[in-house]
Amino acid sequence: DAKTTQPNSMESNEEEPVHLPCNHSTISGTDYIHWYRQLPSQGPEYVIHGLTSNVNNRMASLAIAEDRKSSTLILHRATLRDAAVYYCILRDYPGTASKLTFGTGTRLQVTL
Amino acid sequence: KAGVTQTPRYLIKTRGQQVTLSCSPISGHRSVSWYQQTPGQGLQFLFEYFSETQRNKGNFPGRFSGRQFSNSRSEMNVSTLELGDSALYLCASTRTSGGQYNEQFFGPGTRLTVL
Repeated sequence: DAKTTQPNSMESNEEEPVHLPCNHSTISGTDYIHWYRQLPSQGPEYVIHGLTSNVNNRMASLAIAEDRKSSTLILHRATLRDAAVYYCILRDYPGTASKLTFGTGTRLQVTL
Repeated sequence: KAGVTQTPRYLIKTRGQQVTLSCSPISGHRSVSWYQQTPGQGLQFLFEYFSETQRNKGNFPGRFSGRQFSNSRSEMNVSTLELGDSALYLCASTRTSGGQYNEQFFGPGTRLTVL
């Protein structure tokens, strides 16, 4: 599985935008970029995913570099509820079925 | 719609015993995956079941096994427990196996402590 690199931790003030970076320099052409997050004492939850184009949904936006070697998860207005560990994951479609390979993720701290 | 449920939520066992954990996927979901989460190793994939067949397996010893029933409910079993098996065991379900649109829905996990 291609590897992703994320900062260990980040801090943000509430109601400010947050940009969570992810490097994936060995990404292959069939790898989709997925983001999950894990809130305290809960299982991970899906946030967003994309292949080449930028993507938006109700939770976040995903900006993908033109060479696909990096991506950024954007939370437009962070709230205290967004404090979680965010995981950037590459999924080879259709290669490895439903297997998710989690890295160490970025722990996001949101303060008032 | 009800989410993924896992039972029991907490479990304490002693070394050498065996344990069975249960996972009920979201209604209509046919794929169930299991993950182990520890502070040292993070989240690691154990295996995936789809239509009662194991589709994918992670790098875990044979003491870890699983199965899936015709109603898509899944169980995982760990035999001859070791202290290092203490972990949060998470189950995730998806509608089908594989596919770029397959968002995985995780349960709350079973916290296993081995003494």
